[in-house]
Amino acid sequence: QQPVQSPQAVILREGEDAVINCSSSKALYSVHWYRQKHGEAPVFLMILLKGGEQKGHDKISASFNEKKQQSSLYLTASQLSYSGTYFCASPVPSAGNMLTFGGGTRLMVKP
Amino acid sequence: EAQVTQNPRYLITVTGKKLTVTCSQNMNHEYMSWYRQDPGLGLRQIYYSMNVEVTDKGDVPEGYKVSRKEKRNFPLILESPSPNQTSLYFCASSERRESPLHFGNGTRLTVT
Repeated sequence: QQPVQSPQAVILREGEDAVINCSSSKALYSVHWYRQKHGEAPVFLMILLKGGEQKGHDKISASFNEKKQQSSLYLTASQLSYSGTYFCASPVPSAGNMLTFGGGTRLMVKP
Repeated sequence: EAQVTQNPRYLITVTGKKLTVTCSQNMNHEYMSWYRQDPGLGLRQIYYSMNVEVTDKGDVPEGYKVSRKEKRNFPLILESPSPNQTSLYFCASSERRESPLHFGNGTRLTVT
């Protein structure tokens, strides 16, 4: 069962904020976030390994609520370069480094 | 430069003609895996490997084979490709199980 992401798509103006949510019906032991630009490979953003953990990188941050089996990605003061599709992913138990990816959230930032 | 290299980037072939997509990483990573990406279905797991000679199936392994004879290489083999294997394929590697995935640039395969 893949994680469920919402919204599926969002359009922003430069400088606006956005939140992307990721929830799972199964226990989430950790959450990965990746961004994929059109025609390119997914690129790692961050991993949250523990419930309650929050991380930030530049103006992109994330939180992880293990009990609620949810994670959120926060994009602050969005830039044109933030455009792309964002995926959350969770490890598959006992399956090496396999991840189950959410369906993706398409983010478009306009000038 | 640390990277995962996939070849070819684009491949058009016909039904039934065996093909191999190569994947090589230069980071000495233990873990490697293959995904396919299709519109509306997202990224789905094909096979993974935890080390040399250790491989196992992901969610959609039918029609694919892999081998891990050397740590750096993890080729994806389609013995008899069919049109439903037309897709965008990504190889990925990671240092540990919970480490970030490093993806190759992808191989866009079309089977006619």
